Amino acid sequence: ETGVTQSPTHLIKTRGQQVTLRCSSQSGHNTVSWYQQALGQGPQFIFQYYREEENGRGNFPPRFSGLQFPNYSSELNVNALELDDSALYLCASSLIGGTNTGELFFGEGSRLTVL
Amino acid sequence: AQSVTQLDSQVPVFEEAPVELRCNYSSSVSVYLFWYVQYPNQGLQLLLKYLSGSTLVESINGFEAEFNKSQTSFHLRKPSVHISDTAEYFCAVSDLRDDKIIFGKGTRLHILP
Repeated sequence: ETGVTQSPTHLIKTRGQQVTLRCSSQSGHNTVSWYQQALGQGPQFIFQYYREEENGRGNFPPRFSGLQFPNYSSELNVNALELDDSALYLCASSLIGGTNTGELFFGEGSRLTVL
Repeated sequence: AQSVTQLDSQVPVFEEAPVELRCNYSSSVSVYLFWYVQYPNQGLQLLLKYLSGSTLVESINGFEAEFNKSQTSFHLRKPSVHISDTAEYFCAVSDLRDDKIIFGKGTRLHILP
């Protein structure tokens, strides 16, 4: 089975720009969650997508948006980038309704630097 | 809403010594509890989890954690650490109404030779 893959692995943007991060979920999973991990901090929940619909959102402004596609892959879009958006963005897939309810499978992340 | 507190940001310990990483959670409902590990330059991976049943859960590499409902704790322990255990450890909680997992700030385990 293929694991969770994210792209790009690293990128640099400037303030005010927009960025799109991509995630391919693990085979057989129907849910994707996105997390922001600032340096020295734990992952902060951004939002979750289940069957192409947003299924919960953390304390992030609307300029953070997402999509989930029919093949369960996902995108995270961030508009009007700010310096504080610099972080590791983690995608995690899971299976709602399966025997491993609650367990997340993480990709290695996309490290975003905003200058 | 649930939350997780990891009381120690860093824990230095000598190789082959025992270690305990502390985790307390708050939630108004029943929860699932997890420990995830992040090795240097790698993504997070599940170490162990408590869903139901026995309150003591174990990982394949010698870690164990005990769910204590009265103290709302889920501390992680290992009787003898190895240099390969150097990593950041995250405690996490999910309530039973959805599959969203909330993480603590992490504890960096530093193994001293």
